[in-house]
Amino acid sequence: EADIYQTPRYLVIGTGKKITLECSQTMGHDKMYWYQQDPGMELHLIHYSYGVNSTEKGDLSSESTVSRIRTEHFPLTLESARPSHTSQYLCASSEARGGRETQYFGPGTRLLVL
Amino acid sequence: DQQVKQNSPSLSVQEGRISILNCDYTNSMFDYFLWYKKYPAEGPTFLISISSIKDKNEDGRFTVFLNKSAKHLSLHIVPSQPGDSAVYFCAATGGRSQGNLIFGKGTKLSVKP
Repeated sequence: EADIYQTPRYLVIGTGKKITLECSQTMGHDKMYWYQQDPGMELHLIHYSYGVNSTEKGDLSSESTVSRIRTEHFPLTLESARPSHTSQYLCASSEARGGRETQYFGPGTRLLVL
Repeated sequence: DQQVKQNSPSLSVQEGRISILNCDYTNSMFDYFLWYKKYPAEGPTFLISISSIKDKNEDGRFTVFLNKSAKHLSLHIVPSQPGDSAVYFCAATGGRSQGNLIFGKGTKLSVKP
């Protein structure tokens, strides 16, 4: 099972602030993902990465950006937070195996934008 | 258009009985299916998976059944325990999803002592 960490776990911030959500994994997994999830709803993929210097947009359009400079690190940044960004953000990683991959999730960051 | 559907938002079961959680999918290209369990304010935890070449996979108290012709899978938990109370997500991948998972909206299971 992957060890995957997210910080902060909870964040309350004012509108217009820049925020970075951190995600790190220690398993050397190639693929990493960011999801957004609201209560009672499915997880929506917002970004993913196949490896270093690779970033792709997911199914759900997001104003956030990501970077993948190191294998283990996949931070997500919001340049100017808005109340509509209030949600739970979940990071995951998997070992690329041609589609039959199990994703392992971090504990999530609950973001509240006032 | 939802490709993975969990039509029951909630399910309540007595401790010791069987819990059956259902999931339907529409994309016939999906060939790998997973179940995750999620507690509030935590990330999903992987439970069990099944490939489309099988129709059943068992791991302890958890069994997943796949009916490809009906595009339906189910998760059975026997016996159910109060600690199983959580939201259960069904996920699928295959075809053009490129390894990315498509999730259902989840079913909240409550196991009563």
